Amino acid sequence: ETGVTQTPRHLVMGMTNKKSLKCEQHLGHNAMYWYKQSAKKPLELMFVYNFKEQTENNSVPSRFSPECPNSSHLFLHLHTLQPEDSALYLCASSQEGLGDYNEQFFGPGTRLTVL
Amino acid sequence: GQNIDQPTEMTATEGAIVQINCTYQTSGFNGLFWYQQHAGEAPTFLSYNVLDGLEEKGRFSSFLSRSKGYSYLLLKELQMKDSASYLCAALDSNYQLIWGAGTKLIIKP
Repeated sequence: ETGVTQTPRHLVMGMTNKKSLKCEQHLGHNAMYWYKQSAKKPLELMFVYNFKEQTENNSVPSRFSPECPNSSHLFLHLHTLQPEDSALYLCASSQEGLGDYNEQFFGPGTRLTVL
Repeated sequence: GQNIDQPTEMTATEGAIVQINCTYQTSGFNGLFWYQQHAGEAPTFLSYNVLDGLEEKGRFSSFLSRSKGYSYLLLKELQMKDSASYLCAALDSNYQLIWGAGTKLIIKP
């Protein structure tokens, strides 16, 4: 257990469906992240939230919509996805400070399959 | 562009030693991380190097050469549970993590 939980662990959806992924961190961290992990590819950073403010959006398609209602919870809303969006979606959190960096703690991920 | 290179897959024998290499090219550098990821599980932090040299943590050690843009993870006395993917990630000048694709390590009895 890393202190970061994600639900659901597995999700199968059609291209016209709308679903949401949920992430919760119990570590008191101030930053949360969404990553996409595809087979044999580097982790792709999608979104970063620092103190609930989105600080990074790496050119992610609008069919992915993040939401961070507080520093412990992070959502990824999905709609009209494409089959190539099938991947493992990982959430992570860290404690960010000025000029330093601490390791990120990852959740177990949601394995998403888009049919 | 920014890039991290590490071997796709390695095989080693239980009880032996294995070295997983990682080379990086980033705009600025603020340290290098190694993570372990078992199949179907979350990546977990192994080590962080920002200065040249070797950092030892039990059976695992991590080395960094900033001048060469090179790091390695050394695993000693390999156990079957060490079968996993090992992810290398470099921190650039904007404190953004640049990730490698991971090295899948297979341990054979």
